[in-house]
Amino acid sequence: AQSVTQLDSHVSVSEGTPVLLRCNYSSSYSPSLFWYVQHPNKGLQLLLKYTSAATLVKGINGFEAEFKKSETSFHLTKPSAHMSDAAEYFCVVSEVGSNYQLIWGAGTKLIIKP
Amino acid sequence: GAVVSQHPSWVICKSGTSVKIECRSLDFQATTMFWYRQFPKQSLMLMATSNEGSKATYEQGVEKDKFLINHASLTLSTLTVTSAHPEDSSFYICSAPGVGGYEQYFGPGTRLTVT
Repeated sequence: AQSVTQLDSHVSVSEGTPVLLRCNYSSSYSPSLFWYVQHPNKGLQLLLKYTSAATLVKGINGFEAEFKKSETSFHLTKPSAHMSDAAEYFCVVSEVGSNYQLIWGAGTKLIIKP
Repeated sequence: GAVVSQHPSWVICKSGTSVKIECRSLDFQATTMFWYRQFPKQSLMLMATSNEGSKATYEQGVEKDKFLINHASLTLSTLTVTSAHPEDSSFYICSAPGVGGYEQYFGPGTRLTVT
C-alpha cells in the first residue's frame, strides 16, 4: 500500500538560510512524486514533480527535490528562504494504475523568521 | 496550462439546506475528477472520485447520500452537500488529472460555512 510520511509538522528557519522539508514514501511500484504548496487561504500550487526521469528535480521559486529510491525519500530543499515561502507544503505520491489517485502527506508548515 | 475553476469560492448556508459546488476544467476535458475536503491545519482528504457518465466512487466513511456527485459532462463535476450541518463546514477542493495522469490540476477551493 502506498503511504507518505512528512517527518516534520513544522519547520522554522531564518530568512536567507537553507530549507529542508523531509518526505518519505512507500510504494509497490514506480511512483510519481509531487510537492505542492498552499499559501494561507489560497489554492494548491504544484512546486515540482518526479515522474521517472532525472532524479534531481528543479521546481519553481528556487525549490528542488531529489528522488532517492534506496532511501524511499523525496526531500524538498531551497538554498535560501524568503519570507514569501511561508506556507504549508504537501508531499504527494501517485502510482501507475492507481486511477490517478493521489496519496497526501500530512503537510509541513514552513515558518520563516525575519 | 490547464485550469480548473470552482464556484462558488465561498458560501454560507443555514443548517438543513443544500449547497452545490461546481468544478470545471476550463481548457481540457476530464473524464475523472476528484473531490477533497480539508479541515483547518490538516491535509487533504479524498472524498470521492467523480467519473463522467457513471456513478462516483466514494471513499470509506464518506456518505454518498449526503455528498451527491454528478459528472454530467467532460468539463463539469458538481458536489452537492445535502441537509448541511455545521460539521460539514470545511474547505472543499476539486482536481482533475492532465494528459497522462501524471499531474493533477486543482481548483482554488470552496469554503463552506454552515451556520
